This record gives sequence, structure tokens and C-alpha cells, in this order.
Amino acid sequence: DIVMTQSPDSLAVSLGERATINCKSSQSILYNSNKMNYLAWHQQKPGQPPKVLIYWASTRESGVPDRFSGSGSGTDFTLTISSLQAEDVAVYYCQQYYSSPLTFGGGTKVEIK
Amino acid sequence: QVQLQESGPGLVRPSETLSLTCVVSGASVSSGGFYWSWIRQPPGKGLEWIGCVYNIGSTGSTNYNPSLKSRVTISVDTSKNQFSLKLNSVTAADTAVYHCASSTGRGNIPNWFDPWGQGSLVTVSS
Repeated sequence: DIVMTQSPDSLAVSLGERATINCKSSQSILYNSNKMNYLAWHQQKPGQPPKVLIYWASTRESGVPDRFSGSGSGTDFTLTISSLQAEDVAVYYCQQYYSSPLTFGGGTKVEIK
Repeated sequence: QVQLQESGPGLVRPSETLSLTCVVSGASVSSGGFYWSWIRQPPGKGLEWIGCVYNIGSTGSTNYNPSLKSRVTISVDTSKNQFSLKLNSVTAADTAVYHCASSTGRGNIPNWFDPWGQGSLVTVSS
């Protein structure tokens, strides 16, 4: 199984400041034939199911604010919230879909400082 | 757009079988290219993919997480446009919120999950 490791477990950021979440996979999730990274980011707000924000490591889902961006390749990935808003308080999960079984990172809780 | 809603008992006795159903609206479960998955989330913990069913219109194939494969069955009822999860021989460790979700995919591997159902809390206790 591919193990997904997120850091930090939690972070508190002031409104309007940048939040950065890291995700590391135990093996490369870059598919050489199409040069795509098989990684998604999901946001889970309290009492709600997860919702996809980003897939293919950097493609924003329709309707997701452009303050959310994804980057990275191979085994190291980052989700950045450029200017934290109150509605961004949530737990964020990375997910690999390179191989079965699909696996998730342990989650990063983002709060307001 | 696709919407999913889980239903089933909220309490299951240890050693018995957990059964949940996910009703699909906005799409046909028989539609080609869809993967229908179950994912669970123990209280206060992370997410675990349980398995999926796909190729409903032709082979009706399944792919299960090896960690649960011996106890899991995912099936489809096309007449009711829903898919189901059965997990047998449950223990307290199976207490979790169970989500259904849809995705596209390739081969036997789903892609990212979108959308997710709201989730159904199942507690295993005597």
C-alpha cells in the first residue's frame, strides 16, 4: 500500500495569512506515460462530508476559490491557501489514486489564530 | 449533478453483519465510466477506502481493500438505482461514519471521489 503522510497535524493561521499543508507519499505517484501525478486534496468542514478541492495534484475543481492551489510532483506535494478565510476552517486530506488500495493522508486541521 | 445518500441501521451487534445502502440520484448506477465506492471514517480518525463496484453495465466488477476483503461485499441494485455495502463479523473497531462516493477511474482503480454522501454513523456495540 502507498502510505500518505501529512504534516503538520494541525496549524493555526491568522485571517488573510498563508496556510501550507504538506503531503508525502511512500512511493512516486507520478505516472510516467502521461506525466500526471495521481493526487487529490479534499476539504472536510465540521459536520460535512469531504469535498474535492484539487485533483491531478494541481487542477482546481470547478467553483473552488483560486486562493487554493496545489503543487508538487513524484512523492512531495503541497496544498496552499494563499489568504486564509474564516470559511476555510476544516480538515484537509490528501488522497492518492495511483494504485489500489486507494489511501489517504491522516489529515491536517486548519484553524484561525 | 450526482447526489448520494446513505441509509441503514445505526447500531449493529458484534459478530453480526453491517448493511448500508447508497441511493444515487442525478445519474444511473449502470452508466459507463462510474465507480461507486464506500469509504469509512472512525470517530476522530482518518479515512479508509473500503472498496468499489464498477462496469455495472457489463461485467459488474468489484475491487476491495485487502485489509477488509475477506469480510466485504459491495453490490448494485440497478432497479432501485442504488449500491450496497455488507461487512460481516463486525467488532467495535468497525464503528465509523460510512460514506458512499462516486468517481471516474481506470481499470479497477477509482480516481478522486466526487461527490461524497453525507455519511452514516454505524456503532458496533452489544
